[in-house]
Amino acid sequence: AQTVTQSQPEMSVQEAETVTLSCTYDTSENNYYLFWYKQPPSRQMILVIRQEAYKQQNATENRFSVNFQKAAKSFSLKISDSQLGDTAMYFCAFMKLAGGGNKLTFGTGTQLKVEL
Amino acid sequence: SAVISQKPSRDICQRGTSLTIQCQVDSQVTMMFWYRQQPGQSLTLIATANQGSEATYESGFVIDKFPISRPNLTFSTLTVSNMSPEDSSIYLCSVDSGKNYGYTFGSGTRLTVV
Repeated sequence: AQTVTQSQPEMSVQEAETVTLSCTYDTSENNYYLFWYKQPPSRQMILVIRQEAYKQQNATENRFSVNFQKAAKSFSLKISDSQLGDTAMYFCAFMKLAGGGNKLTFGTGTQLKVEL
Repeated sequence: SAVISQKPSRDICQRGTSLTIQCQVDSQVTMMFWYRQQPGQSLTLIATANQGSEATYESGFVIDKFPISRPNLTFSTLTVSNMSPEDSSIYLCSVDSGKNYGYTFGSGTRLTVV
């Protein structure tokens, strides 16, 4: 079974600064997807960024980028130029491609607070 | 990407009663997923619902407690039966939006059992 670990329950960052959220996972699979989701107080789950394991290039989406280290099974999220609207719970998630039923396995989350 | 309408958004229920949560998707999808998020916790998959077949339940979840319907490719319901305070959680449905595995979630149902 796959496990996803987020070792930072809470983090804070000043507005306009950069913050990195950590995520590690454990799997014996070679083909899989990794995701970062954001859950603001509205509780809506919002996809932030996605990484295919077969791609060496790190995914980027505007101010959001990842550092994907497949050998180390690490998948950190970097948020640049942090904004107040980035305040949310961030979940790292794993999905295996073969025989996984397309199910997402989530980490325990990191509560990010962006401060003035 | 797919848009999901989930309702109710919240409810307060008496123990021993049942609540049915609905999810309507604006496009046809093969699989729908139901998750539970207990207070301050992460999301845990309850079951996967395919149209025309029985839902597949994860370990720790049973059909008698969480019956699921999937009458067509755009709609599904999850019922929380014989509720107890331990069932107080946020329940979310999710579908694969189809764009290279970008999953879309409903807005969630916040259930409080008293």
